[in-house]
Amino acid sequence: NAGVTQTPKFRILKIGQSMTLQCTQDMNHNYMYWYRQDPGMGLKLIYYSVGAGITDKGEVPNGYNVSRSTTEDFPLRLELAAPSQTSVYFCASSHLLTMGGETQYFGPGTRLLVL
Amino acid sequence: GQNIDQPTEMTATEGAIVQINCTYQTSGFNGLFWYQQHAGEAPTFLSYNVLDGLEEKGRFSSFLSRSKGYSYLLLKELQMKDSASYLCAVRAQEYGNKLVFGAGTILRVKS
Repeated sequence: NAGVTQTPKFRILKIGQSMTLQCTQDMNHNYMYWYRQDPGMGLKLIYYSVGAGITDKGEVPNGYNVSRSTTEDFPLRLELAAPSQTSVYFCASSHLLTMGGETQYFGPGTRLLVL
Repeated sequence: GQNIDQPTEMTATEGAIVQINCTYQTSGFNGLFWYQQHAGEAPTFLSYNVLDGLEEKGRFSSFLSRSKGYSYLLLKELQMKDSASYLCAVRAQEYGNKLVFGAGTILRVKS
């Protein structure tokens, strides 16, 4: 299994540009998440999904959109990039959301710089 | 993260023992997780506690006291490769049973 994969690894955007961060998992997990991590800060949840066709906002959703058309894919869309969106973005997946010791598996991250 | 506190940085010596504390305030507590994150890499799962007590896993142990809103991660026989950030994360009904992460503790292991 490749686990959770993310592309691209690194991207520079100009203010106002748009882009899609790709995330794919091959573990047949129901739950997928997008986090951002700023220097010296913990992970902040942007959006999450409990299954194909279902998405919901996390703690910091403004400026982002997601879709979940398949179990495997959970792309994150930035429509109008702003310098405040400069961050490292992690996608994660897990089998169960609420019960037991389910753990989230993280992708390698996408470093985004908005200038 | 919301009401999740960890020390910002710690330094310890190779071969020693170090304890990283995490305190939290939440309602509907439903589990505490520790993750390790090396610089420039993704977090990886270390441990999970939902009941009071100590969970041991090799050189790493994690302790939880729900009444005190307190957990610690204990690392024994420190190795240079243990230099990393250690993230405490809490799952609670207050958070819709999603994980909320602390800011992390940067551990530096010196020889």
